[in-house]
Amino acid sequence: EAQVTQNPRYLITVTGKKLTVTCSQNMNHEYMSWYRQDPGLGLRQIYYSMNVEVTDKGDVPEGYKVSRKEKRNFPLILESPSPNQTSLYFCASSPRLAGGPGNEQFFGPGTRLTVL
Amino acid sequence: GDSVTQMEGPVTLSEEAFLTINCTYTATGYPSLFWYVQYPGEGLQLLLKATKADDKGSNKGFEATYRKETTSFHLEKGSVQVSDSAVYFCALIPSWGNAGKSTFGDGTTLTVKP
Repeated sequence: EAQVTQNPRYLITVTGKKLTVTCSQNMNHEYMSWYRQDPGLGLRQIYYSMNVEVTDKGDVPEGYKVSRKEKRNFPLILESPSPNQTSLYFCASSPRLAGGPGNEQFFGPGTRLTVL
Repeated sequence: GDSVTQMEGPVTLSEEAFLTINCTYTATGYPSLFWYVQYPGEGLQLLLKATKADDKGSNKGFEATYRKETTSFHLEKGSVQVSDSAVYFCALIPSWGNAGKSTFGDGTTLTVKP
């Protein structure tokens, strides 16, 4: 089944304890992206990757790191989490993100993170 | 920069009512426009899309037309069902420049009552 998977789905942690949220897609997509969803703020883009070893900042990159060493994986790293990073996180992938057909995104099920 | 403005929610309708969720955008050129739907406890999934002016996207009885002159992409459905209760997001990706950026609206929560 074609899908985007995220792990863990739920995580409660404490301030300053490094964590990684994994994202993997099995559709051979070039493009991957991370978003956070907060009440009243919609989805905001954190980082994205146009291809392997190519990453760039979205609108809210502060406090996050990413890497894209393999096409299928795009982990999100919080080196020193803080309570303002408590949120619902989504990973997404797309065959391409230019105009034209095939540019829609496929989303994972989400990771709910709580930082105490 | 690019932006998407959605009609504020929440929206509550009775079953079989007509639905409109407004979406307007600010972007240069001809962005691709999308509506995504998020059912409770799930990730977003594509509902419909349009990639050029005057295109109409449609799916599951929902429709939206890309209006360049009014920079709008309003979502409509003639007769909603309880199963349509969800959060709806309007989104765009640019046609040129920083094609990796993706902009979403704040989301509109729809509740349909029997």
